[in-house]
Amino acid sequence: NAGVTQTPKFQVLKTGQSMTLQCAQDMNHEYMSWYRQDPGMGLRLIHYSVGAGITDQGEVPNGYNVSRSTTEDFPLRLLSAAPSQTSVYFCASRPGLASETQYFGPGTRLLVL
Amino acid sequence: GEDVEQSLFLSVREGDSSVINCTYTDSSSTYLYWYKQEPGAGLQLLTYIFSNMDMKQDQRLTVLLNKKDKHLSLRIADTQTGDSAIYFCAESMDNYGQNFVFGPGTRLSVLP
Repeated sequence: NAGVTQTPKFQVLKTGQSMTLQCAQDMNHEYMSWYRQDPGMGLRLIHYSVGAGITDQGEVPNGYNVSRSTTEDFPLRLLSAAPSQTSVYFCASRPGLASETQYFGPGTRLLVL
Repeated sequence: GEDVEQSLFLSVREGDSSVINCTYTDSSSTYLYWYKQEPGAGLQLLTYIFSNMDMKQDQRLTVLLNKKDKHLSLRIADTQTGDSAIYFCAESMDNYGQNFVFGPGTRLSVLP
Protein backbone atom coordinates (compact mmCIF):
# COMPACT_ATOMS: atom_id res chain seq x y z
CA ASN A 1 0.00 0.00 0.00
CA ALA A 2 1.21 3.48 -0.83
CA GLY A 3 -0.87 4.95 2.02
CA VAL A 4 -1.89 8.59 1.58
CA THR A 5 -0.24 10.39 -1.33
CA GLN A 6 -0.32 14.09 -2.10
CA THR A 7 0.75 16.04 -5.14
CA PRO A 8 2.41 18.39 -5.72
CA LYS A 9 4.96 18.62 -2.90
CA PHE A 10 5.60 22.29 -3.54
CA GLN A 11 3.70 24.96 -5.44
CA VAL A 12 4.05 28.68 -5.98
CA LEU A 13 0.99 30.60 -7.13
CA LYS A 14 0.21 34.19 -7.92
CA THR A 15 -2.72 35.89 -6.23
CA GLY A 16 -5.92 35.06 -8.09
CA GLN A 17 -4.71 31.84 -9.68
CA SER A 18 -6.60 28.63 -9.10
CA MET A 19 -5.23 25.16 -8.55
CA THR A 20 -6.11 21.72 -7.23
CA LEU A 21 -4.17 19.85 -4.56
CA GLN A 22 -4.46 16.13 -5.12
CA CYS A 23 -4.90 13.52 -2.41
CA ALA A 24 -5.33 9.78 -2.84
CA GLN A 25 -5.38 6.78 -0.53
CA ASP A 26 -5.34 3.09 -1.37
CA MET A 27 -6.52 1.75 1.99
CA ASN A 28 -10.26 1.90 1.24
CA HIS A 29 -10.76 4.39 4.07
CA GLU A 30 -14.12 6.07 4.43
CA TYR A 31 -12.97 9.21 6.18
CA MET A 32 -10.74 11.77 4.48
CA SER A 33 -9.82 15.25 5.62
CA TRP A 34 -7.85 18.29 4.56
CA TYR A 35 -5.91 20.36 7.10
CA ARG A 36 -3.73 23.40 6.85
CA GLN A 37 -0.77 23.86 9.17
CA ASP A 38 0.40 27.33 10.10
CA PRO A 39 3.17 28.19 12.58
CA GLY A 40 1.98 28.30 16.18
CA MET A 41 -1.56 27.28 15.22
CA GLY A 42 -1.38 23.53 14.84
CA LEU A 43 -3.59 21.92 12.22
CA ARG A 44 -6.94 23.37 11.28
CA LEU A 45 -9.58 21.36 9.51
CA ILE A 46 -10.63 22.77 6.12
CA HIS A 47 -13.06 20.16 4.77
CA TYR A 48 -13.75 16.52 5.41
CA SER A 49 -15.61 13.62 3.87
CA VAL A 50 -17.23 10.61 5.51
CA GLY A 51 -17.60 8.70 2.26
CA ALA A 52 -17.89 9.01 -1.50
CA GLY A 53 -20.36 11.72 -2.43
CA ILE A 54 -20.42 13.25 1.06
CA THR A 55 -18.40 16.29 2.11
CA ASP A 56 -18.70 18.86 4.88
CA GLN A 57 -16.98 21.99 6.07
CA GLY A 58 -14.42 22.13 8.80
CA GLU A 59 -13.13 25.06 10.81
CA VAL A 60 -11.65 27.14 7.95
CA PRO A 61 -13.47 26.27 4.69
CA ASN A 62 -13.58 29.70 3.02
CA GLY A 63 -11.71 29.86 -0.27
CA TYR A 64 -11.59 26.09 -0.70
CA ASN A 65 -13.80 23.54 -2.43
CA VAL A 66 -13.71 19.75 -2.25
CA SER A 67 -15.42 16.84 -3.91
CA ARG A 68 -15.40 13.08 -3.28
CA SER A 69 -16.46 11.24 -6.39
CA THR A 70 -14.54 8.09 -5.44
CA THR A 71 -13.43 6.52 -2.18
CA GLU A 72 -9.79 6.90 -3.16
CA ASP A 73 -9.56 10.57 -4.17
CA PHE A 74 -10.25 13.79 -2.29
CA PRO A 75 -8.98 16.84 -4.19
CA LEU A 76 -8.84 20.31 -2.64
CA ARG A 77 -9.46 23.25 -4.96
CA LEU A 78 -8.31 26.80 -4.38
CA LEU A 79 -10.63 28.94 -6.45
CA SER A 80 -8.73 32.24 -6.35
CA ALA A 81 -5.52 31.99 -4.35
CA ALA A 82 -4.74 34.63 -1.73
CA PRO A 83 -1.51 35.22 0.24
CA SER A 84 -3.41 34.16 3.39
CA GLN A 85 -3.58 30.66 1.90
CA THR A 86 0.19 30.29 2.06
CA SER A 87 0.52 27.22 4.27
CA VAL A 88 1.35 23.55 4.41
CA TYR A 89 -1.62 21.38 3.49
CA PHE A 90 -2.09 17.87 4.83
CA CYS A 91 -4.53 15.28 3.65
CA ALA A 92 -5.50 12.50 6.06
CA SER A 93 -7.61 9.37 5.98
CA ARG A 94 -8.84 6.76 8.43
CA PRO A 95 -11.16 3.78 8.37
CA GLY A 96 -13.98 5.15 10.47
CA LEU A 97 -14.15 5.52 14.22
CA ALA A 98 -12.22 8.07 16.24
CA SER A 99 -10.30 5.31 17.97
CA GLU A 100 -8.62 4.33 14.75
CA THR A 101 -5.38 5.73 13.44
CA GLN A 102 -5.58 8.73 11.15
CA TYR A 103 -2.98 8.45 8.40
CA PHE A 104 -1.44 11.66 7.09
CA GLY A 105 0.05 12.37 3.70
CA PRO A 106 3.48 14.02 3.39
CA GLY A 107 2.00 17.48 2.82
CA THR A 108 1.93 20.12 0.08
CA ARG A 109 3.81 23.35 0.75
CA LEU A 110 2.00 26.23 -0.97
CA LEU A 111 3.29 29.77 -1.40
CA VAL A 112 0.94 32.43 -2.75
CA LEU A 113 2.64 35.61 -3.91
CA GLY B 1 -15.40 26.96 20.93
CA GLU B 2 -12.93 24.20 21.52
CA ASP B 3 -9.37 25.17 22.30
CA VAL B 4 -6.24 23.12 22.87
CA GLU B 5 -3.16 24.73 24.40
CA GLN B 6 0.44 23.57 24.54
CA SER B 7 3.75 25.20 25.31
CA LEU B 8 5.66 25.71 22.07
CA PHE B 9 9.14 24.55 23.04
CA LEU B 10 10.83 22.00 25.30
CA SER B 11 14.50 21.06 25.57
CA VAL B 12 15.80 18.01 27.41
CA ARG B 13 19.09 16.14 27.63
CA GLU B 14 19.44 12.74 26.04
CA GLY B 15 18.52 10.03 28.54
CA ASP B 16 16.29 12.29 30.63
CA SER B 17 12.51 12.07 30.69
CA SER B 18 10.44 14.54 28.68
CA VAL B 19 7.02 15.70 29.78
CA ILE B 20 4.87 17.52 27.26
CA ASN B 21 1.72 19.11 28.60
CA CYS B 22 -1.59 19.99 27.00
CA THR B 23 -4.77 21.62 28.25
CA TYR B 24 -8.14 21.58 26.55
CA THR B 25 -11.38 23.38 27.16
CA ASP B 26 -14.15 21.06 26.02
CA SER B 27 -15.15 18.60 28.72
CA SER B 28 -17.10 16.55 26.20
CA SER B 29 -13.94 15.33 24.49
CA THR B 30 -14.19 11.64 23.77
CA TYR B 31 -10.66 10.80 22.64
CA LEU B 32 -7.39 12.60 23.24
CA TYR B 33 -4.40 11.97 21.03
CA TRP B 34 -0.69 12.58 20.78
CA TYR B 35 0.80 12.92 17.31
CA LYS B 36 4.47 13.26 16.33
CA GLN B 37 5.68 15.24 13.33
CA GLU B 38 9.25 14.84 12.15
CA PRO B 39 10.78 17.49 9.86
CA GLY B 40 9.23 17.54 6.40
CA ALA B 41 6.78 14.76 7.20
CA GLY B 42 3.13 14.36 8.02
CA LEU B 43 1.78 13.57 11.44
CA GLN B 44 2.12 10.13 12.96
CA LEU B 45 -0.23 8.93 15.68
CA LEU B 46 1.78 7.99 18.79
CA THR B 47 -0.99 7.06 21.16
CA TYR B 48 -4.47 7.98 22.23
CA ILE B 49 -6.53 7.75 25.39
CA PHE B 50 -10.25 7.42 25.85
CA SER B 51 -11.79 10.01 28.11
CA ASN B 52 -12.78 7.51 30.81
CA MET B 53 -9.14 6.47 31.34
CA ASP B 54 -6.60 8.09 33.65
CA MET B 55 -3.42 6.61 32.29
CA LYS B 56 -2.09 4.66 29.37
CA GLN B 57 1.40 3.26 29.00
CA ASP B 58 3.04 2.05 25.82
CA GLN B 59 6.74 1.20 26.07
CA ARG B 60 8.56 4.50 26.70
CA LEU B 61 5.37 6.56 26.43
CA THR B 62 3.04 7.32 29.34
CA VAL B 63 -0.12 9.37 28.87
CA LEU B 64 -1.82 10.89 31.91
CA LEU B 65 -5.29 12.41 31.78
CA ASN B 66 -6.74 14.64 34.49
CA LYS B 67 -10.32 15.22 33.40
CA LYS B 68 -11.10 17.54 36.30
CA ASP B 69 -8.35 19.96 35.26
CA LYS B 70 -8.70 19.14 31.53
CA HIS B 71 -4.99 18.37 31.44
CA LEU B 72 -3.23 15.79 29.30
CA SER B 73 0.46 14.94 29.43
CA LEU B 74 2.86 12.79 27.46
CA ARG B 75 5.92 11.46 29.22
CA ILE B 76 8.75 10.04 27.14
CA ALA B 77 11.18 8.00 29.21
CA ASP B 78 14.89 7.82 28.30
CA THR B 79 14.51 10.48 25.61
CA GLN B 80 16.66 9.90 22.53
CA THR B 81 17.81 12.23 19.75
CA GLY B 82 15.35 10.48 17.45
CA ASP B 83 12.55 11.81 19.63
CA SER B 84 13.30 15.36 18.47
CA ALA B 85 10.13 16.44 16.67
CA ILE B 86 6.97 18.47 17.09
CA TYR B 87 4.35 16.82 19.29
CA PHE B 88 0.70 17.69 18.80
CA CYS B 89 -2.07 17.15 21.28
CA ALA B 90 -5.51 16.68 19.72
CA GLU B 91 -9.03 15.95 20.84
CA SER B 92 -12.18 14.70 19.19
CA MET B 93 -15.67 15.29 20.44
CA ASP B 94 -17.42 12.18 19.23
CA ASN B 95 -16.89 8.52 18.52
CA TYR B 96 -16.54 9.22 14.82
CA GLY B 97 -13.85 11.90 15.20
CA GLN B 98 -15.44 14.29 12.79
CA ASN B 99 -14.25 17.20 14.85
CA PHE B 100 -10.56 16.86 15.51
CA VAL B 101 -9.03 19.90 17.20
CA PHE B 102 -5.26 20.14 17.32
CA GLY B 103 -3.04 22.12 19.63
CA PRO B 104 -0.26 24.33 18.23
CA GLY B 105 2.41 21.68 18.80
CA THR B 106 5.40 21.47 21.15
CA ARG B 107 8.83 21.38 19.53
CA LEU B 108 10.97 18.94 21.51
CA SER B 109 14.72 19.36 21.18
CA VAL B 110 16.91 16.61 22.60
CA LEU B 111 20.42 17.76 23.48
CA PRO B 112 23.35 15.33 23.51
